[in-house]
Amino acid sequence: DVKVTQSSRYLVKRTGEKVFLECVQDMDHENMFWYRQDPGLGLRLIYFSYDVKMKEKGDIPEGYSVSREKKERFSLILESASTNQTSMYLCASSKTSLYEQYFGPGTRLTVT
Amino acid sequence: AQSVAQPEDQVNVAEGNPLTVKCTYSVSGNPYLFWYVQYPNRGLQFLLKYITGDNLVKGSYGFEAEFNKSQTSFHLKKPSALVSDSALYFCAVSPDEGTDKLIFGTGTRLQVFP
Repeated sequence: DVKVTQSSRYLVKRTGEKVFLECVQDMDHENMFWYRQDPGLGLRLIYFSYDVKMKEKGDIPEGYSVSREKKERFSLILESASTNQTSMYLCASSKTSLYEQYFGPGTRLTVT
Repeated sequence: AQSVAQPEDQVNVAEGNPLTVKCTYSVSGNPYLFWYVQYPNRGLQFLLKYITGDNLVKGSYGFEAEFNKSQTSFHLKKPSALVSDSALYFCAVSPDEGTDKLIFGTGTRLQVFP
């Protein structure tokens, strides 16, 4: 089975802190994605990566950055956390657009 | 603008009855269409997809979906609902063959009553 793991299920951070969310997939997928999920808004793409060291902005990249140094790992960085970044963060991976995305369990981040 | 719409925030159905969760899309090219399900406190799971070919696609847990190009719809269906089908359902579209990104709908909560 494809497995996508995320470093934390729950995280509480203070405003202004730098936050790292880690995601690892074990299926040698080229593509990796970071979404945030908010009630009534569905999933919104923050960033995605189609290869090591390659990244592309999604729909809501402001306040976030990403890093992909190895094929299996994709990190989301909140440079200076703010309360409006309180959300559920979901990581996913896929082979190509013909194939479904596999999701991790999510990280519920609260910024106080 | 390319988009996906799920017009119903919630769908209620009695166990044993057929269910439909609606999805319409607006994209410029030939879309790839997906349905995902999210059970409480879990990540999204893939249910089914339409890439090309037969307009009726079958997926996991007895679900199926019909691609209707003229109505730009991809409704999710199941002939007989189970209480365990209660979850949040998301429709998603890959706008064209040149991108690996997905556009997600806002989700529909399905509640199946015993």
